[in-house]
Amino acid sequence: GAVVSQHPSWVICKSGTSVKIECRSLDFQATTMFWYRQFPKKSLMLMATSNEGSKATYEQGVEKDKFLINHASLTLSTLTVTSAHPEDSSFYICSARDQASVGLYEQYFGPGTRLTVT
Amino acid sequence: AQSVTQLGSHVSVSEGALVLLRCNYSSSVPPYLFWYVQYPNQGLQLLLKYTSAATLVKGINGFEAEFKKSETSFHLTKPSAHMSDAAEYFCAVRTGTASKLTFGTGTRLQVTL
Repeated sequence: GAVVSQHPSWVICKSGTSVKIECRSLDFQATTMFWYRQFPKKSLMLMATSNEGSKATYEQGVEKDKFLINHASLTLSTLTVTSAHPEDSSFYICSARDQASVGLYEQYFGPGTRLTVT
Repeated sequence: AQSVTQLGSHVSVSEGALVLLRCNYSSSVPPYLFWYVQYPNQGLQLLLKYTSAATLVKGINGFEAEFKKSETSFHLTKPSAHMSDAAEYFCAVRTGTASKLTFGTGTRLQVTL
């Protein structure tokens, strides 16, 4: 149980185009999902907290107009990188909080999406 | 504010040797502490977690960690390293059920023959 999937697992796009990444909780409901960015050999940087049915909360320094987050259902959140540039190339990881896990609100991580912008 | 410090960005051990990965935390309230493992090009897998119950926490793959409040530490150990343990390990802290996870910078574990 508690599986989180991401699609696609990797994507290459041209500079200036937009890319959508999906994060799904497969066997539990998640009112809250998180989006992280990980640079090579670096830790995870929280980009935003995605809440079902409401606007995402972005961390300081993250451009909300560039990284559009939509959490339209209890099992799906999407991250759209708009007008992508080479500096947006990174490994993007989502996690989902199991709202039914009593007390601890466990987070489960997806396998990540490697984005390369050429 | 909460933070995590992982000492040593790279640790190398021989197969069969003790693994010790260090993690110190800073938190103004009792923390929840986690260790995650990440294999290349994959997401994070939870190894173990401390939730204010027993201070010695046992996790998967033979790993365990001990919460020491006096030392503000949560070091990860494994008695005998296996080649399959080679990966990146992250310590993380959270203060409360609804707050965000804060990750350390990670420690890459290398296991040699």
